Amino acid sequence: DQQVKQNSPSLSVQEGRISILNCDYTNSMFDYFLWYKKYPAEGPTFLISISSIKDKNEDGRFTVFLNKSAKHLSLHIVPSQPGDSAVYFCAASAGTGNQFYFGTGTSLTVIP
Amino acid sequence: GAGVSQSPSNKVTEKGKDVELRCDPISGHTALYWYRQRLGQGLEFLIYFQGNSAPDKSGLPSDRFSAERTGESVSTLTIQRTQQEDSAVYLCASSADLFMYEQYFGPGTRLTVT
Repeated sequence: DQQVKQNSPSLSVQEGRISILNCDYTNSMFDYFLWYKKYPAEGPTFLISISSIKDKNEDGRFTVFLNKSAKHLSLHIVPSQPGDSAVYFCAASAGTGNQFYFGTGTSLTVIP
Repeated sequence: GAGVSQSPSNKVTEKGKDVELRCDPISGHTALYWYRQRLGQGLEFLIYFQGNSAPDKSGLPSDRFSAERTGESVSTLTIQRTQQEDSAVYLCASSADLFMYEQYFGPGTRLTVT
């Protein structure tokens, strides 16, 4: 059973515009969420995280929004750059020391 | 400093053979995770080591899969009697301690079972 879902397998955005990547989860016990970026032939790299006590976390061009009632989080990238083209995974965990559940990823292409 | 390393980077094996995949975590990282990513799918948790605690093996798909870790150092994931459905990229990650959510991933081992 997929507890973390990324329903859009791919997304294309023009350079300079906003990219919005979405993630839904089913387990209400999840209290920590992360986004990872993955380039081909490389391991995922950590991008940004958010704890369930917050509804927004911003780091430069990247902002993650959390809507606990909807069990939904999103990653906003603005402005999008061609170097942002990669696969983005969201992940969730329930409490410290527990496993992370990953979504299936969204492949973002930023068109120059 | 050095990141997480994995070897081999690619492995092709015949169905029924055993394989060993190696992970060298970042020095000082107490937590180590193994994941699998099949083609077109997300990351699938396999096993988690934290210090000297008993590992969380809840993600291992069958008893053909096992993993060991030497203290807070190298880990080996072993797949016995490989099957074609074992073909995937196997990723290892480490984190500084139990309370550090940020995991650092290695480049992965691409396993192909023919």
